[in-house]
Amino acid sequence: DTEVTQTPKHLVMGMTNKKSLKCEQHMGHRAMYWYKQKAKKPPELMFVYSYEKLSINESVPSRFSPECPNSSLLNLHLHALQPEDSALYLCASSLTGSMANEQFFGPGTRLTVL
Amino acid sequence: DQQVKQNSPSLSVQEGRISILNCDYTNSMFDYFLWYKKYPAEGPTFLISISSIKDKNEDGRFTVFLNKSAKHLSLHIVPSQPGDSAVYFCAASAAQAGTALIFGKGTTLSVSS
Repeated sequence: DTEVTQTPKHLVMGMTNKKSLKCEQHMGHRAMYWYKQKAKKPPELMFVYSYEKLSINESVPSRFSPECPNSSLLNLHLHALQPEDSALYLCASSLTGSMANEQFFGPGTRLTVL
Repeated sequence: DQQVKQNSPSLSVQEGRISILNCDYTNSMFDYFLWYKKYPAEGPTFLISISSIKDKNEDGRFTVFLNKSAKHLSLHIVPSQPGDSAVYFCAASAAQAGTALIFGKGTTLSVSS
């Protein structure tokens, strides 16, 4: 299994809603990542989990809350988002947290905040 | 300030010809470089990588060249195929220092038959 899966594919939420994005991989990778990608822009790193511990938080607002329940799962909890948070949210994984490992990306969750 | 630059937003090539995608970087600490391909409605797919101790890496139709003195890398695709039409992202990291991947803005490649 060489796939990173993400659910849901699309999500529309209001600014007062609480929702979660889910990411799963079964490649035995020990590092998982959340990226945000706006239209016509490159992916921007949000969080890195290495061996289930948060190792990088790129100054992301607290309305985004990551969680790594185990080495195969990564969640991103969303609360009180703003319309400008609408974007494609990409999950990725790599063998270790070393930046010399290629990252495998999921298909993304297209988030729209109304 | 962009640390990884892909100055050509788009490139059009005929099937069978060579596609050359370029990438420049500013951070001399970068020591690991990757190319990703992205189709619409899909996540980026890893294509090929190169570390700073090499100047060339080849994988089938794809070759990446690194010129450290010029802080420039390029991806050559030969022969180009219509299925190669996608957005190509260059990414770099200072792997030894453990810094995150920095992506360029991408180049949209269109291969016509």
